[in-house]
Amino acid sequence: KAGVTQTPRYLIKTRGQQVTLSCSPISGHRSVSWYQQTPGQGLQFLFEYFSETQRNKGNFPGRFSGRQFSNSRSEMNVSTLELGDSALYLCASSRGQGTGELFFGEGSRLTVL
Amino acid sequence: GENVEQHPSTLSVQEGDSAVIKCTYSDSASNYFPWYKQELGKRPQLIIDIRSNVGEKKDQRIAVTLNKTAKHFSLHITETQPEDSAVYFCAKPGYSGGGADGLTFGKGTHLIIQP
Repeated sequence: KAGVTQTPRYLIKTRGQQVTLSCSPISGHRSVSWYQQTPGQGLQFLFEYFSETQRNKGNFPGRFSGRQFSNSRSEMNVSTLELGDSALYLCASSRGQGTGELFFGEGSRLTVL
Repeated sequence: GENVEQHPSTLSVQEGDSAVIKCTYSDSASNYFPWYKQELGKRPQLIIDIRSNVGEKKDQRIAVTLNKTAKHFSLHITETQPEDSAVYFCAKPGYSGGGADGLTFGKGTHLIIQP
């Protein structure tokens, strides 16, 4: 069974640009949640999608958005990039039944110059 | 709020000794408390979890205890080994209702096993 796949693995952007990250969940998993990981703040929850609907959202500005497609694949977008957006972005998939194990991808490492 | 406070941020123990990491939370609705382990350069992985209807759960050398009254839960690792060196994150559901799978994580504990 294939694991959670995130693309791209590494990317470099400049301030003001936008970026789109992709996450393909484990087959059969309907929930995808996104996290920002930085050395100082740990793992911070961005949002969670289930059956193409956002079920929950963390405390991030509106520049951070996401969506989920009918095949459960998810994308997140960050517009007007700031230096502080440099981080490892992790997605996790799960069955979506609430209080279930999250399976993480390897992450997309974003550097903003 | 919905935060989880985790302590300590760094823990260094001698190989063979025990390690304890503690987390506290504030809301009463949470009913699921997992622990994730992240080795250097790797993705976080679930190592143990506990639900609110039990007070303790064990899996070989690791155990988790939950005190719902005091709103804290702890990870206990006994007979620590070099492969236990990693960052450990506690977590709880990040929602006030039910059905969602997003988690709120603590800031992590860097566990160092000294030979």
